Amino acid sequence: DAGITQSPRHKVTETGTPVTLRCHQTENHRYMYWYRQDPGHGLRLIHYSYGVKDTDKGEVSDGYSVSRSKTEDFLLTLESATSSQTSVYFCAITSSDFYEQYFGPGTRLTVT
Amino acid sequence: GDSVTQMEGPVTLSEEAFLTINCTYTATGYPSLFWYVQYPGEGLQLLLKATKADDKGSNKGFEATYRKETTSFHLEKGSVQVSDSAVYFCALRRGSNYKLTFGKGTLLTVNP
Repeated sequence: DAGITQSPRHKVTETGTPVTLRCHQTENHRYMYWYRQDPGHGLRLIHYSYGVKDTDKGEVSDGYSVSRSKTEDFLLTLESATSSQTSVYFCAITSSDFYEQYFGPGTRLTVT
Repeated sequence: GDSVTQMEGPVTLSEEAFLTINCTYTATGYPSLFWYVQYPGEGLQLLLKATKADDKGSNKGFEATYRKETTSFHLEKGSVQVSDSAVYFCALRRGSNYKLTFGKGTLLTVNP
């Protein structure tokens, strides 16, 4: 357990509404990531962070933004949710000792 | 770009059967290779890893050997149990920021 929590764990929202997902870690890791998991696609990287206020895009970043104002929190925002963003979202960190990646429990988002 | 290809599932086995899940990768240089497991309703857990050619990763009876000549990292277990039923993901890591590239996942079901 790398001390990663995600909130909310489940959310249903309507098309066009903004949504923010939160990832919180307790162990001061520098690197944090947001992935989405969809059937037939595995996990795909949305955005990642390599420090406070340092973020970059992954392979599927369109329609998403992120922010990291504190080491422990990494926020993923869908500015205007679409049905194609219905997915399970996972946050992850890279450990500072062996540089292994550990995942949170996930957030299931449904956009109706 | 980097990519990971793993065998299509689902894979269904009887308890105590031998398991192989194939994984091949495309990447320049010398990536690190990982297997993750995802139990129903949970996040991904690191199962094993290998960081250089000919390394063998092992954990909980599972093994995988990093074969650079065939760009492969096949997962094996000599005798599966019902509790091994899960989705297995092969992944590679190359370059900075420790980002992972995942395969699409293989669903394993083990019947008693």
